[in-house]
Amino acid sequence: GENVEQHPSTLSVQEGDSAVIKCTYSDSASNYFPWYKQELGKRPQLIIDIRSNVGEKKDQRIAVTLNKTAKHFSLHITETQPEDSAVYFCAASIVNTGFQKLVFGTGTRLLVSP
Amino acid sequence: DAGVTQSPTHLIKTRGQQVTLRCSPKSGHDTVSWYQQALGQGPQFIFQYYEEEERQRGNFPDRFSGHQFPNYSSELNVNALLLGDSALYLCASDSGTSTDTQYFGPGTRLTVL
Repeated sequence: GENVEQHPSTLSVQEGDSAVIKCTYSDSASNYFPWYKQELGKRPQLIIDIRSNVGEKKDQRIAVTLNKTAKHFSLHITETQPEDSAVYFCAASIVNTGFQKLVFGTGTRLLVSP
Repeated sequence: DAGVTQSPTHLIKTRGQQVTLRCSPKSGHDTVSWYQQALGQGPQFIFQYYEEEERQRGNFPDRFSGHQFPNYSSELNVNALLLGDSALYLCASDSGTSTDTQYFGPGTRLTVL
C-alpha cells in the first residue's frame, strides 16, 4: 500500500525566513497531494493541494511542487509569520471515481520565532 | 454553510467498554471517512462510507465498525476498547467527485483508562 515519508519532523525558523517541508510517496498511482495545517487541539485544515497533472501551484505565501518521476512533493512557505507555527501534514491519495483514501505523513512541527 | 461536525468532543472510557462517535458531513457532501490520530502522529485511515455502505477500509481490526445514515451522517463504533485506542478520532467528508477535497471535523478525543 501507499506510504508517505515526511521531513523534517521539526523546523524552527525566524520570522520572515522561508520554510520547506518535503514528502516522498511510494505508490506511483497516487494523483492527489493535499497539505493540511493542524494547530494544537484543532482540526486539520487544508491549506493547498496539487494534482498529478500540475508541477507547481501557488497561493500567496504558500507553494507546492510535485516531481512525479522522483515521487517527491514539497511545501514552501515564504515570509513566515508567527501564526504559521503549527504541525503540517502532507498526504497522498489515489482519486478514482470518487474513491479517496488519504495516506498522511508523520507531520512537521513548524515554529516561527518573532 | 455548516462544516463537518462531530460529537462528543471528549470521551473517557475504560478498557473493554464500547464507544460510539458521531459525525455530520459538510453540507452537500455524501461521503464520510474516519481517521484515527494518535498523539504526535498523522491521521490513519479507518474506513469510508458512501451510500450507507463501507466501501474502503484501512488496516484496523473488526472491533472498529461504522454506519452511515440516509442523511449522510455517520457513526464509528469501537468495541472491547484497548488502552491503545486512545486517540483523536477525525471524521472527514467530501462530495465524491473528481475534484475531491476532504474537510475534517474537530474530532473526538477518546481516552481509554
